[in-house]
Amino acid sequence: GAVVSQHPSRVICKSGTSVKIECRSLDFQATTMFWYRQFPKQSLMLMATSNEGSKATYEQGVEKDKFLINHASLTLSTLTVTSAHPEDSSFYICSAFSRGFYETQYFGPGTRLLVL
Amino acid sequence: GEDVEQSLFLSVREGDSSVINCTYTDSSSTYLYWYKQEPGAGLQLLTYIFSNMDMKQDQRLTVLLNKKDKHLSLRIADTQTGDSAIYFCAESMYRGSTLGRLYFGRGTQLTVWP
Repeated sequence: GAVVSQHPSRVICKSGTSVKIECRSLDFQATTMFWYRQFPKQSLMLMATSNEGSKATYEQGVEKDKFLINHASLTLSTLTVTSAHPEDSSFYICSAFSRGFYETQYFGPGTRLLVL
Repeated sequence: GEDVEQSLFLSVREGDSSVINCTYTDSSSTYLYWYKQEPGAGLQLLTYIFSNMDMKQDQRLTVLLNKKDKHLSLRIADTQTGDSAIYFCAESMYRGSTLGRLYFGRGTQLTVWP
């Protein structure tokens, strides 16, 4: 199946710093990528939808100035957590699919963020 | 809104069959999915079914869809300890701005005892 990678897999940072997480589709062109957040023993919460070449669409309650999303190419989307605080500590997962292949959506392995 | 419900826990003995159930509320769902998540990992797509199908079988996995009752199940035959994980049911719709968006259940923790 298709492969989606995320980098880094784990990051620890100090409060107030910014962290960038990359999501790449390795063997297909992803017209749309989604960013999710998952708390321990919880389901995935959709944060935003990222379409290549356009602004991301954020879910209600998600601060777009705090969680900056860029989808500059068909294989790369980035999520930047700006001025991170301990409450931003979570597991962030991206997914990607290609228009015309709606039935399959592939997920990255996730990034564990710990803000001290 | 879209609600996907799953039971939270299931325990089975190795070699037995596991059945994980899911209900959803949106009748316009187009695709329904089962994902597997192991500890600290992302989601692995196990299988999916198109809403005009009743059943799909893939090796040890059997998906049953009752569209009238909006009920989806995943049966794992000959369950192994390596099947222990969290299983997420998800639905998506094929229209407009929600294209490709998945709505997830809370996940069912499957524990397989040797």
